[in-house]
Amino acid sequence: DIQMTQSPSSLSASVGDRVTIACRASQSISNSLNWYQQKPGRAPKLLIYAASSLQSGAPSRFTGRGSGTDFTLTISSLQPEDFATYYCQQSFSPPYTFGQGTKLEIK
Amino acid sequence: EVQLVESGGGLAQPGGSLRLSCAASGFTFSSYSMNWVRQAPGKGLEWVSYISSSGSTIFYAGSVKGRFTISRDNAKNSLSLQMNSLRAEDTAVYFCARAYGGNSFFDFWGQGSLVTVSS
Repeated sequence: DIQMTQSPSSLSASVGDRVTIACRASQSISNSLNWYQQKPGRAPKLLIYAASSLQSGAPSRFTGRGSGTDFTLTISSLQPEDFATYYCQQSFSPPYTFGQGTKLEIK
Repeated sequence: EVQLVESGGGLAQPGGSLRLSCAASGFTFSSYSMNWVRQAPGKGLEWVSYISSSGSTIFYAGSVKGRFTISRDNAKNSLSLQMNSLRAEDTAVYFCARAYGGNSFFDFWGQGSLVTVSS
């Protein structure tokens, strides 16, 4: 199975900050990496697919990069609605594993 | 508008069974692969199972293989997850999610259905 490791597990930041979350796969997954945002009590929401493609309706301040084993999600200027938990997920091969999540909190 | 609505959750005893359903609308259900993803209370997301658009290809997470069965009825726009031999560690909110494209990312999710396994 492919293991997905996110860092950091939690992050405190302020509105307007630029933040980056990292995700590492235990083996190469090409660009089969997706990012989701989840708010408490809600279903996850797709933000980025295929490592760098912005899902329709997702704000342009979200940027995904990477290929192979190392990936990042960057939020260019944090907005109040961005405080949530973020998950990476590989869709290269089943089981389609998720990272453990990164909780983004208000400083 | 794409909608996925789960039902069938509730309380089950250890060793018991439950069947979850996911009713799909707003898209051509038979053209999309589907998945189940779960989230234990206070924990992260765990992928559970995948079924191809025709139902011919199925995958399971190791933690549920041999106990859970995914199926679909394209005529009824419905996805199901039969859960047998339930364990306390199966307690979670179960989401159905539509998979899009060759890279199989999950572009639409249901609101989730809570399954609690307890005596």
